[in-house]
Amino acid sequence: GAVVSQHPSRVICKSGTSVKIECRSLDFQATTMFWYRQFPKQSLMLMATSNEGSKATYEQGVEKDKFLINHASLTLSTLTVTSAHPEDSSFYICSAPNRGWYGYTFGSGTRLTVV
Amino acid sequence: SQKIEQNSEALNIQEGKTATLTCNYTNYSPAYLQWYRQDPGRGPVFLLLIRENEKEKRKERLKVTFDTTLKQSLFHITASQPADSATYLCALEGSGSARQLTFGSGTQLTVLP
Repeated sequence: GAVVSQHPSRVICKSGTSVKIECRSLDFQATTMFWYRQFPKQSLMLMATSNEGSKATYEQGVEKDKFLINHASLTLSTLTVTSAHPEDSSFYICSAPNRGWYGYTFGSGTRLTVV
Repeated sequence: SQKIEQNSEALNIQEGKTATLTCNYTNYSPAYLQWYRQDPGRGPVFLLLIRENEKEKRKERLKVTFDTTLKQSLFHITASQPADSATYLCALEGSGSARQLTFGSGTQLTVLP
């Protein structure tokens, strides 16, 4: 089946630095990828939709200058958390639609801790 | 605004019994309703999708029903096993340009041996 590879799985960074998270579709082309954030004991909240070759669409309340999304190829989307602060500590997950948009395949997630 | 409620935050059942999870929604008319399994520290895994014009869908030990009048979906796991212990997420999806998932808060299922 479809596989979305997400790296890194865990990252600890200092406040004020930037962190890049990568999501790759391994055996299919993903023209669209979705980025979510999940706080402990809460559900997934959609942050943005990235489309290959065009600008990402951000959900209300998500700062586009802080969460930079790049989808430069059909198999790679990246999320960069810029000038990270402790409140950005969360679990970040990407996903891509399956063939025919029949469900979605998710990455394994990135646990970001900002100290 | 649209709201999705999964009625139990946690559900414990005995091995071999049928687990039934509920998903209710308001202020939304989804074209698709999906169920995912999420294990701790992992991304969700797709289980089943049911369309607005379908009443029931089955896959092995899993069954999903979808009642658009009641705005409710039921998710059943028959002959439950300890390996079924996980958080189960209900997700709604629109159609066309609105094809993105909105998740419920999840139900943590524990199957006791």
